[in-house]
Amino acid sequence: DIQMTQSPSTLSASVGDRVTITCRASQSISSWLAWYQQKPGKAPKLLIYKASSLESGVPSRFSGSGSGTEFTLTISSLQPDDFATYYCQQYNSYPFTFGPGTKVDIK
Amino acid sequence: EVQLVESGGGLVQPGRSLRLSCTASGFTFGDYAMSWVRQAPGKGLEWVGFIRSKAYGGTTEYAASVKGRFTISRDDSKSIAYLQMNSLKTEDTAVYYCTWRRGYSYGYDYWGQGTLVTVSS
Repeated sequence: DIQMTQSPSTLSASVGDRVTITCRASQSISSWLAWYQQKPGKAPKLLIYKASSLESGVPSRFSGSGSGTEFTLTISSLQPDDFATYYCQQYNSYPFTFGPGTKVDIK
Repeated sequence: EVQLVESGGGLVQPGRSLRLSCTASGFTFGDYAMSWVRQAPGKGLEWVGFIRSKAYGGTTEYAASVKGRFTISRDDSKSIAYLQMNSLKTEDTAVYYCTWRRGYSYGYDYWGQGTLVTVSS
C-alpha cells in the first residue's frame, strides 16, 4: 500500500498569511493526488484534483503543485473561512490512502 | 444536482452486523463507481472500499482493515450502494461517508452527510 505523510500536522497562521502544506507519497503516484478541506462536523470538500487542477467553485487562492512523490497545497492569502483541516489523498492505486491531515488554526 | 444520502447507522454490539445504504441522485448511477470512506471520532479519513460499475464488472476493492468482513454491493435499479459490515469491532466506530467522483482523473467531488456507526457493548 502507498503511505501518505503530511507536514506540518498543525499550522498556526493569521489572516492574510501565505500557507503551504506538504504531502509525500511512499512511492510515485504520478499526479494522481487530491486535496480536501474539512471543517468540524462536515464532510470533506474537494479543493484540488490531479495535483494541480482547481475544483469548480473553489477560490483561486488555493493552488496545488507537484508530481511523483512530493506535493504541496498553497493558500496564497489565508481567509477566515480557511481555518480547517486539510487532507491529501492518492488515487494512483488501491487502496486510495489519505494523509493524516494538517490542521490550520488561528495564530 | 448530485446528492448522496447515507442511512442505516446506529449502535451495534461487537461481533454483530450492520448494513449501510447510500441513495444517490443527480447522475446516471449505473455508469459510475461508488466508494465508502470512514472517519473515527477525532481521527483522520480512512478509505474503506469501492465498487466498480457493471460495465467494469461490478468488482470491488477494500482496505486491508475491512477486507473479509465488509462487502460493498449495488442496486442500479434503485440507485443505491450498500456497505454490509460483519464481525464488527470497536475500532470500526466511525462516521461512514458515501462518495462519488465524476471520472477516474478526479478526486471525490461529492460526499454524503455521513452516518455514525458505534460499535460498543
